[in-house]
Amino acid sequence: EIVLTQSPGTLSLSPGERATLSCRASQSVSSNYLAWYQHKPGQAPRLLIYDASSRATDIPDRFSGSGSGTDFTLTISRLEPEDFAVYYCQQYGRSLPFAFGQGTKVEIK
Amino acid sequence: EVQLLESGGGLVQTGKSLRLSCAASGFTFWRFAMTWVRQAPGKGLEWVSSTGGDGGDAYYADSVKGRFTISRDNSKNTLYLQMNSLRADDTAIYYCAKDAQNDNGMWDWFDSWGQGTLVTVSS
Repeated sequence: EIVLTQSPGTLSLSPGERATLSCRASQSVSSNYLAWYQHKPGQAPRLLIYDASSRATDIPDRFSGSGSGTDFTLTISRLEPEDFAVYYCQQYGRSLPFAFGQGTKVEIK
Repeated sequence: EVQLLESGGGLVQTGKSLRLSCAASGFTFWRFAMTWVRQAPGKGLEWVSSTGGDGGDAYYADSVKGRFTISRDNSKNTLYLQMNSLRADDTAIYYCAKDAQNDNGMWDWFDSWGQGTLVTVSS
């Protein structure tokens, strides 16, 4: 069973700055089956990235995913006001359980 | 447009039962695996249970195994979660989520989520 560890827990940045979020797996993630979600209070989580680096439909290109094996990164190139939220990584694949990281909160500095 | 609408949450006493529903629309429901994910207050997302398109298979997190039952009625485009022997640590917002792809033999990422329904378990 894979455990995902996200860092940092909280990222304090200003609009326009670059955000770099990390997700580390306890073992190699098969075929880079890793997704990223954005979650705001009172809303449904929103898919951003799947297969580690593929952007979901209608996701702005300031969001990008990278990495392989056990180390993955979500980068937001220039933070917009609406990007302040909690971000989760998730592992999926041919067997369960699904694993989620504990989340990184991106807050306004 | 895909829509998932959860219902059935509420305040319930420890040890009691509750059934959640997730009404789906905008896609061919029976073709996609579905999942319940929860978020306890101040905590992150936690996988709870998943079922395949035909409902013939069901998988559970250890924390709910033996107490929760996932099912679906494909004629009604609805996913269910029967929750028995509820405990205080089951208090959470429960989301239903749709598997992104069908018929590929995999448990995929979630491309659509509902807004969630709040379950509060209290003595």
